[in-house]
Amino acid sequence: GEDVEQSLFLSVREGDSSVINCTYTDSSSTYLYWYKQEPGAGLQLLTYIFSNMDMKQDQRLTVLLNKKDKHLSLRIADTQTGDSAIYFCAEEAAGGYNKLIFGAGTRLAVHP
Amino acid sequence: DTAVSQTPKYLVTQMGNDKSIKCEQNLGHDTMYWYKQDSKKFLKIMFSYNNKELIINETVPNRFSPKSPDKAHLNLHINSLELGDSAVYFCASSPGTGGLNTEAFFGQGTRLTVV
Repeated sequence: GEDVEQSLFLSVREGDSSVINCTYTDSSSTYLYWYKQEPGAGLQLLTYIFSNMDMKQDQRLTVLLNKKDKHLSLRIADTQTGDSAIYFCAEEAAGGYNKLIFGAGTRLAVHP
Repeated sequence: DTAVSQTPKYLVTQMGNDKSIKCEQNLGHDTMYWYKQDSKKFLKIMFSYNNKELIINETVPNRFSPKSPDKAHLNLHINSLELGDSAVYFCASSPGTGGLNTEAFFGQGTRLTVV
């Protein structure tokens, strides 16, 4: 079945880069997503990547996709305290209907 | 103006009760969803409706019944609440069900606590 895995915690110093990694199982996923959840809030779409792309850059965010290894990463440059949140990787399940399979979320803690 | 709004934000109730959570979206989207997030932050889809028709129904106890009176609303009714139902329930919507229509917008969540 479909499965998405992420490491649960990441701690970085303010100003450093953060890299959050994710592995997924469904090679037919057309889009892969990164969502951000701040404390007490809903999920906010950060960025997405189409499966025929290797990389996508959006300001401080860089998404890398290795389709062969089914590995997705999110790099946040110049990490700020406001980036502290839980980051979820998600893939579309086979069969369409936008059934998203989420990872367990990586809790990013940014310290001075 | 909130895009996807859920009410109530917090719900504390006793075991055995029946409760409803309401969701409304003003984005003109065709598709709406209910997700459940447990205490460990695992997020799983429960239901999806497209234009008022049920299109995804995961393995969810039949005590949970979604109702979509129109495509802007998707309510979740839960009968005979159990302790294990305690979680945060998120409503979401997306423009459609294919391609980049799949970008989902989430509500703020309803924290349900069953005591």
